[in-house]
Amino acid sequence: DGGITQSPKYLFRKEGQNVTLSCEQNLNHDAMYWYRQDPGQGLRLIYYSQIVNDFQKGDIAEGYSVSREKKESFPLTVTSAQKNPTAFYLCASSLGTGGNQPQHFGDGTRLSIL
Amino acid sequence: DAKTTQPPSMDCAEGRAANLPCNHSTISGNEYVYWYRQIHSQGPQYIIHGLKNNETNEMASLIITEDRKSSTLILPHATLRDTAVYYCIVRVWKAAGNKLTFGGGTRVLVKP
Repeated sequence: DGGITQSPKYLFRKEGQNVTLSCEQNLNHDAMYWYRQDPGQGLRLIYYSQIVNDFQKGDIAEGYSVSREKKESFPLTVTSAQKNPTAFYLCASSLGTGGNQPQHFGDGTRLSIL
Repeated sequence: DAKTTQPPSMDCAEGRAANLPCNHSTISGNEYVYWYRQIHSQGPQYIIHGLKNNETNEMASLIITEDRKSSTLILPHATLRDTAVYYCIVRVWKAAGNKLTFGGGTRVLVKP
C-alpha cells in the first residue's frame, strides 16, 4: 500500500544527544514536510522540501536539520541545540506545493527527553 | 491564509449523519477549503477539499456556500471510528512553503 512511514514511533533522547527521525514515502510525491505538534496545539512547520536536494526552513527550524538526497526520504535530525525537543513530530508529503495539493501524513514519532 | 471558526465540540449518534460547520468569512478567491481529522496519537488524515463546488468522496461530502464564507463537512453514516478532532483549513495557492495551519478544530464524539 502507498503511504508515509515514520520511524521509530517512540524515541528517547539524552541531554546533548542528536537524534534522527526517519520519514519514507512511496507515493512518488515531490514535496515533503516536517511539522511539530505540542500537546493541545496545532502544527508548526519545521522544514519543507519541494524537490530532491532542496529544502527550506519553516517557522521553527532552529535546532533542527534535514536532508533530501532521495525523493522518497526526508530525515529530520533533532540536534542538541534544540532545547525543548519533547513533542510529536509529523512528516507529510504532497504531489506538489500548490493549494490544490493535499498533504498526507505519517503516524508520527513521539520524542521524549530522558 | 483566512481564519476559520469551528464549534469546539459536538456529539453524534452512530449511524446518523454528522454535519460539521466551518465559518471562513474572510476567504479569498484563490483559497481552498480543506478538512482533516486527527485521532488521538495519530497523524492528521486528509478527508476532502474544494474551491467553490460541492465535493464528495468515499469518506465525506463538502458543501460550500455560494458566497464561500462557510462550509459543512458531512459524514453520511458516522461510526465509532469517526470519533476525532476535525479541522477546517483554508489554503491559498502558493508556490512554496504551503504549510497547514490548524486551528482549534471540532472534537466529535460518536456515541452508540
